Amino acid sequence: DAGVIQSPRHEVTEMGQEVTLRCKPISGHDYLFWYRQTMMRGLELLIYFNNNVPIDDSGMPEDRFSAKMPNASFSTLKIQPSEPRDSAVYFCASSFGQGAGVDTQYFGPGTRLTVL
Amino acid sequence: GENVGLHLPTLSVQEGDNSIINCAYSNSASDYFIWYKQESGKGPQFIIDIRSNMDKRQGQRVTVLLNKTVKHLSLQIAATQPGDSAVYFCAENLSGNTGGFKTIFGAGTRLFVKA
Repeated sequence: DAGVIQSPRHEVTEMGQEVTLRCKPISGHDYLFWYRQTMMRGLELLIYFNNNVPIDDSGMPEDRFSAKMPNASFSTLKIQPSEPRDSAVYFCASSFGQGAGVDTQYFGPGTRLTVL
Repeated sequence: GENVGLHLPTLSVQEGDNSIINCAYSNSASDYFIWYKQESGKGPQFIIDIRSNMDKRQGQRVTVLLNKTVKHLSLQIAATQPGDSAVYFCAENLSGNTGGFKTIFGAGTRLFVKA
């Protein structure tokens, strides 16, 4: 398996622009997670899905952030409008099952977002 | 005061020595714990996990110890190698009443292995 795939790997944009980050989870995994990593705050869970349904979005910082999972093999994290403080590395992770002894999250390579 | 940024604790060890990385977790109800390794420019990578009904689990060259009394987790790496140099994160999982859960990551520890 190719693992979790994220695109783009790097994104540089200007303040106010819309940014869309993409993720393809590992096939067969029914959980998908979006994280943000910064030097200030470390690794933070933003939102996670189970079977394409958002379960907990309490980590999403503001209404400017939204995430969707239209099908089991694709998810997007959108920031509109983007601000310089959104600059971070955004990770997508997926896992198979929860509470069944298989809770390991497999992380993608991340998207490094820079908002000027 | 204002958070001026995370200052990761650093552990520096000689190649071949054993490493012990410690982590204090926050919630006594957390029921699942994971150690991740993150190399520069990459996403976190699973190393080993342990459930709250255990106090020790061993993998290949790694051992995780869990002390629920003091909410402490440790990762022991035997015969540390230069390739072990990375940032190590502990994470705790807290199951929710409605079937959901929370995953909370620690701040991380930077391991530096001297050849």
